[in-house]
Amino acid sequence: EAEVAQSPRYKITEKSQAVAFWCDPISGHATLYWYRQILGQGPELLVQFQDESVVDDSQLPKDRFSAERLKGVDSTLKIQPAELGDSAMYLCASSTLSGGSPFGQFFGPGTRLTVL
Amino acid sequence: AQSVTQLGSHVSVSEGALVLLRCNYSSSVPPYLFWYVQYPNQGLQLLLKYTSAATLVKGINGFEAEFKKSETSFHLTKPSAHMSDAAEYFCAVTLSGNTGKLIFGQGTTLQVKP
Repeated sequence: EAEVAQSPRYKITEKSQAVAFWCDPISGHATLYWYRQILGQGPELLVQFQDESVVDDSQLPKDRFSAERLKGVDSTLKIQPAELGDSAMYLCASSTLSGGSPFGQFFGPGTRLTVL
Repeated sequence: AQSVTQLGSHVSVSEGALVLLRCNYSSSVPPYLFWYVQYPNQGLQLLLKYTSAATLVKGINGFEAEFKKSETSFHLTKPSAHMSDAAEYFCAVTLSGNTGKLIFGQGTTLQVKP
């Protein structure tokens, strides 16, 4: 069964350091999402890509966060510099417009970030 | 604006008992609704979805949910709880079909007692 891949699964860093997370969506899925989930809360969208284009980054803290999906396949989310409040689970999801495919967003296992 | 409210941050049931997790949504147009389950330190797994077809939706692991427009609800049920059902459950809504961002509720932690 096709899955969304993410790495690393866990990341511990000190504040002011740079961190990067990687996501590989399900093959053929043109839409890719990065969500942030703070402990005890539901996920919130940070950025959404359609192929290589950003379609929604309204909740992305652009002074320190950046995201790219250069070839419209895998994606990287970067934080520089990391702050204590960035400690959270970062989830990647993908979906497709294809009518014959399962409807819905499919999530990867997430990256648990701890900022010390 | 669309939103989701999950009533009860923690629900505790005995093994074999009925599971009922409540979700109410706010939307100005017919929404698409989802239930996801999350096990500790894992991603979200799609349980079931409502996409304006049948109002009673059956999902994986014996779960089902009923869309009630008059009550703006999409409650999740399972007739008989199993220990393996212990997890966190999220209700989510989107207006944009398969490519819109999901708006999640705060989640409900289900505890299953032996």
